[in-house]
Amino acid sequence: DTGVSQDPRHKITKRGQNVTFRCDPISEHNRLYWYRQTLGQGPEFLTYFQNEAQLEKSRLLSDRFSAERPKGSFSTLEIQRTEQGDSAMYLCASSRLAGVLQETQYFGPGTRLLVL
Amino acid sequence: DAKTTQPTSMDCAEGRAANLPCNHSTISGNEYVYWYRQIHSQGPQYIIHGLKNNETNEMASLIITEDRKSSTLILPHATLRDTAVYYCTPHNAGNMLTFGGGTRLMVKP
Repeated sequence: DTGVSQDPRHKITKRGQNVTFRCDPISEHNRLYWYRQTLGQGPEFLTYFQNEAQLEKSRLLSDRFSAERPKGSFSTLEIQRTEQGDSAMYLCASSRLAGVLQETQYFGPGTRLLVL
Repeated sequence: DAKTTQPTSMDCAEGRAANLPCNHSTISGNEYVYWYRQIHSQGPQYIIHGLKNNETNEMASLIITEDRKSSTLILPHATLRDTAVYYCTPHNAGNMLTFGGGTRLMVKP
């Protein structure tokens, strides 16, 4: 257990529905990342926050995807109008700087989404 | 983004050392090499990282070549619980991790 928690762990939804996932990072970590992982592939970066600021969101897969971190603590990832291709594991990671260049990201257990 | 190349799969006998190679020939000078592993259906687990020097912790050792174009993760006494997909990824602070396909390590009794 790394200390990063994600909720729910599993989600089944019907195509066209909206879903929201939550991530709670390790308490002293100010950076939070979202990744997506499809079957047989490595995780793919989506977006990242430093405190409450979303510093990179160009890799979000479409405008149906959005993320927030309103108070710089937990974060939510929302997918609107889900499609079957959105079925994947959604991973959250958190980190804090240790030195100028070092930053170790610790991952949560992930939320597995199945869109029917 | 720097690219990495890893064997698709490897086998190792339980109790023997597992040596997992990674080629990262385009890594930039300020990027660390990070290793993670992922056991089925779980999130990636951090193992170790290094910049130029070899590193060791309670989980593994990391050997980085002098030219930094490749590295080897060593699990000194592999157990069945080390069966997982192992990823190497170049990284520096404030940036995303870039995962390739990884190496599927199977530890056999």
